[in-house]
Amino acid sequence: DQQVKQNSPSLSVQEGRISILNCDYTNSMFDYFLWYKKYPAEGPTFLISISSIKDKNEDGRFTVFLNKSAKHLSLHIVPSQPGDSAVYFCAASRGDSSYKLIFGSGTRLLVRP
Amino acid sequence: NAGVTQTPKFQVLKTGQSMTLQCAQDMNHEYMSWYRQDPGMGLRLIHYSVGAGITDQGEVPNGYNVSRSTTEDFPLRLLSAAPSQTSVYFCASRTGMETQYFGPGTRLLVL
Repeated sequence: DQQVKQNSPSLSVQEGRISILNCDYTNSMFDYFLWYKKYPAEGPTFLISISSIKDKNEDGRFTVFLNKSAKHLSLHIVPSQPGDSAVYFCAASRGDSSYKLIFGSGTRLLVRP
Repeated sequence: NAGVTQTPKFQVLKTGQSMTLQCAQDMNHEYMSWYRQDPGMGLRLIHYSVGAGITDQGEVPNGYNVSRSTTEDFPLRLLSAAPSQTSVYFCASRTGMETQYFGPGTRLLVL
């Protein structure tokens, strides 16, 4: 029973356009959410996070939106660049200091030049 | 400052063999953890440690043992490897959620 779901295994967008990656969760106790980016043969790296007290968090080209009532979050990348091509994982936890992080299955993003 | 290092990068085992996956960090982080990544499953937490001498189970601990005798090292032991343990293993260390650093991974194939 996956508590964090990324239903799109892959996404392809044109360079300069917006990339939207989606994530759904089932556990209403989750209150802290993160996005990680992973290149081949490397470990994941932290990208951006959001607490459940917010509905939006921005960091440069990356924005995460949280819809608590729908138990849905999304990562927007604008404008998309070829270097953004990677696998993106969303993750959730109960509390920003929780030791247990639950990951989604990942979405592979390809940004075409 | 090497961050999080993992050895070996790749290993092939036969069913029933034992081995230890090594993980070390030089950032003086108290919290370390092990994950496995399988196709379509994302990363799943195996075991974690909040400091030397303290370990606890994650989502999928069966078949794995850990110990934490120093702050720097957090080895993961497979006592009797099974094909179901074929996976990519990532070690991580952190202070807070946003400062969790992952190692490059160990790819394990159990025949």
